[in-house]
Amino acid sequence: DSGVTQTPKHLITATGQRVTLRCSPRSGDLSVYWYQQSLDQGLQFLIQYYNGEERAKGNILERFSAQQFPDLHSELNLSSLELGDSALYFCASSRTSWGTGELFFGEGSRLTVL
Amino acid sequence: ELKVEQNPLFLSMQEGKNYTIYCNYSTTSDRLYWYRQDPGKSLESLFVLLSNGAVKQEGRLMASLDTKARLSTLHITAAVHDLSATYFCAVFTSGTYKYIFGTGTRLKVLA
Repeated sequence: DSGVTQTPKHLITATGQRVTLRCSPRSGDLSVYWYQQSLDQGLQFLIQYYNGEERAKGNILERFSAQQFPDLHSELNLSSLELGDSALYFCASSRTSWGTGELFFGEGSRLTVL
Repeated sequence: ELKVEQNPLFLSMQEGKNYTIYCNYSTTSDRLYWYRQDPGKSLESLFVLLSNGAVKQEGRLMASLDTKARLSTLHITAAVHDLSATYFCAVFTSGTYKYIFGTGTRLKVLA
């Protein structure tokens, strides 16, 4: 158990819909990262927050947005869903934002868009 | 934009054999990480390499980092079936706050 909690674990929805994925980082970790892993694909970096502020952005679609709240949990919002958005979405956390430690990953949220 | 490439992408090996997975990256960095992922599961941290020449070992796995060559290796000694998984390297670049992951190497150890 990494200490990172993601909900929901599984989600099935239809095209055009909107979903919210939630992540609670490890106790004491200030950074939250979101990654997308499509079937048989590597991990694509989406976005990173540190102590409530956005620090880095990757190849995140405009239909996707995220935020980190004062209690440090984070949410990833996916809207106008398309079939290609079906993937495993991982949240990871770390103590800092300057790479001195590894990322700790949650179990992931598996999104299926029908 | 930082690129992280691993090779091979797929590796099928016999139990008891040795092999090396390579991780090349395109920009300067001295922070490299190795992870293991079992099918459908989360990623588990294996090694953290934070300086040139760093070498870490755990069981049958040994990782090293050469920042001048922008290369890290994950060496497998006397492979066993339990090592079957996908292995990812990840590179952190200062100033970008990003951990960029490699393409992954899917390892299958045959009994």
